[in-house]
Amino acid sequence: SQQGEEDPQALSIQEGENATMNCSYKTSINNLQWYRQNSGRGLVHLILIRSNEREKHSGRLRVTLDTSKKSSSLLITASRAADTASYFCATDQAGTALIFGKGTTLSVSS
Amino acid sequence: DAMVIQNPRYQVTQFGKPVTLSCSQTLNHNVMYWYQQKSSQAPKLLFHYYDKDFNNEADTPDNFQSRRPNTSFCFLDIRSPGLGDAAMYLCATSKGYEQYFGPGTRLTVT
Repeated sequence: SQQGEEDPQALSIQEGENATMNCSYKTSINNLQWYRQNSGRGLVHLILIRSNEREKHSGRLRVTLDTSKKSSSLLITASRAADTASYFCATDQAGTALIFGKGTTLSVSS
Repeated sequence: DAMVIQNPRYQVTQFGKPVTLSCSQTLNHNVMYWYQQKSSQAPKLLFHYYDKDFNNEADTPDNFQSRRPNTSFCFLDIRSPGLGDAAMYLCATSKGYEQYFGPGTRLTVT
C-alpha cells in the first residue's frame, strides 16, 4: 500500500528558525495532507494540497507538492516552542482512507 | 463546540479480558475511523464506517471488532487483548477529505 515517508525522523531547532519536513510517497494520489500531533494527543489537520496544486500557504505554514517526484514538503516559518510536536503526512486511498507516514518529531527550544 | 470525544482517555485491562473503547461525535459526519498507533509509529487504520457500511482493513486482526449503532457513536471491541495490543487508539471522523481526531484512548494490557 502507498505510504508517506517523512524525512528527517527528528528535527531540533531554536525558536525563530524555520523548520522543513519532507514526505515521499509511492503511488498517484488525489491529495496529500499534513497533520500535527502533540505528545499523547490526537492528530490535528493542518493543510491539504490537491494533486493539481503545487504550493499552498496557511499562516506560517507552506506546503509544496511535486507529483513528478512524488514528494511534498512542509515549511514552518518563525518556529515557536508551541510548534513542538510530531508532524505526519497522509495520502488518500480510494478517497476515504488515509495512509500516514511515520512522522517527523520537531523540537523547538527557546 | 463540535468535536470528537473518546472515553476513557486511559484504559487498563488484563491479558485476555475483553475491553470496549468508545467514540462519539457532534460533527454529524458520515464517516468514522478507528486507528491504532503504537509508540513512535504512524497511525494504522483498523477499519472505518461509511454511514452504516463497515470497511475492515485486510490486516486488521479478527480480535478487533467494531460497532456503530448510530451516526454519533462508534465502539471498538477488543475480544481478547494481548500485550501487543497496548497502544493509543484514535477515533476520527470525516465528511470530506479532512479528518477530525479525538484525543485518543491509551490502552495498557497487564
